[in-house]
Amino acid sequence: DIQMTQSPSSLSASVGDRVTITCRASQSINNYLNWYQQKPGKAPKLLIYAASNLQSGVPSRFSGSGSGTDFTLTISSLQPEDFATYYCQQSYNTPPLTFGGGTKVEIK
Amino acid sequence: QVQLVESGGGLVKPGGSLRLSCAASGFTFSDYYMSWVRQAPGKGLEWVSYLGGSGGTIYYADSVKGRFTVSRDNAKNSLSLQMNSLRAEDTAVYYCARWSVYRDDFSYYYMDVWGKGTTVTVSS
Repeated sequence: DIQMTQSPSSLSASVGDRVTITCRASQSINNYLNWYQQKPGKAPKLLIYAASNLQSGVPSRFSGSGSGTDFTLTISSLQPEDFATYYCQQSYNTPPLTFGGGTKVEIK
Repeated sequence: QVQLVESGGGLVKPGGSLRLSCAASGFTFSDYYMSWVRQAPGKGLEWVSYLGGSGGTIYYADSVKGRFTVSRDNAKNSLSLQMNSLRAEDTAVYYCARWSVYRDDFSYYYMDVWGKGTTVTVSS
């Protein structure tokens, strides 16, 4: 099974900060990597698919990059509504479909 | 609008059974793979199962294999998850999600529509 490791597990940042979250796969997954945002008590929301494609309706301050084993989600200027937990997920080799452990973005 | 609505959650004793449902609307249900994903209290996301549009392709996580059965009724735009031999570790919010695909040289799958979830609690 492919393991997905996110770092950091949590971070504190201020509104306006540039935030970077990393996801590493235990083997190459090309660019079969998706990013989701989840707010407390809510369902996950798709942000990025195929490593770098912005889902319709998602603000352009979100971007994704990477290929192979190392991927990055970047928020260029953190907004109040961006405080949430972010998950990466691989769709290269399924089943099983695997998620990273999550990165919680908190207010500094 | 495109929507998924789960139902059927509740409190059940260890060893008991529960059947979850997911009602889909706003899209051609039979065209899409569908998944169940769960989230234990305070934990991350865990994939449970997915099945193809015709129901012919079905996969389960090892943690639920042999205990859970996923099915769909395309005529009723409905997805189901029959959960038997429930354990305390099955306690979670269960989400149904739609799989979409992006195609260039390859096909990339992602879950673009999620329901709000239904809570399953397994406790004596």
